[in-house]
Amino acid sequence: AQSVSQHNHHVILSEAASLELGCNYSYGGTVNLFWYVQYPGQHLQLLLKYFSGDPRVKGIKGFEAEFIKSKFSFNLRKPSVQWSDTAEYFCAVMNNNAGNMLTFGGGTRLMVKP
Amino acid sequence: NAGVMQNPRHLVRRRGQEARLRCSPMKGHSHVYWYRQLPEEGLKFMVYLQKENIIDESGMPKERFSAEFPKEGPSILRIQQVVRGDSAAYFCASSPWASGTDTQYFGPGTRLTVL
Repeated sequence: AQSVSQHNHHVILSEAASLELGCNYSYGGTVNLFWYVQYPGQHLQLLLKYFSGDPRVKGIKGFEAEFIKSKFSFNLRKPSVQWSDTAEYFCAVMNNNAGNMLTFGGGTRLMVKP
Repeated sequence: NAGVMQNPRHLVRRRGQEARLRCSPMKGHSHVYWYRQLPEEGLKFMVYLQKENIIDESGMPKERFSAEFPKEGPSILRIQQVVRGDSAAYFCASSPWASGTDTQYFGPGTRLTVL
């Protein structure tokens, strides 16, 4: 069964610092990859997604991610974080031949200090 | 265009009672997914439904849990005889098609507390 690992459970950064959140998955077949964000008191929102093509994808609010198939990774990056990026970030994977379920990582809580 | 709606947002039940969680998908979406988030964990898939059909219930506990998505009205996740371990946030998502390239849009969740 697919599993998704997010290496950092809690990250604290100062504003303007660069961000990289790790995400690795276990199953090596064809996958679709997602990053969702949950701001305090709000529901999950899609940040970005990868289905095919250019492995570097850009999402909303300056976020980007890179799919590295050989490493089973889909790390999330932002060059310069803002206080408003304080939230919980979830990586999710969908196996193309195993139904439409999303398998989520455990989440990373990001706190950005002003 | 209203997003995915869930109600109630918070639900408190005593052990042994029933919990009913409702999910109204986005307009035009006919596919609904339920996920559960236990404290300090990520979301775990429970069930995938289309109108009047359960497509995949591989993540549902074998007992006490059931889900439906009738022709009219919201999808319902029903938990009978709740226990403390059922305390969690339950999220519903919807998508317009069954394609793997479809984004699932999430509702705000229902936080169930079992006393």
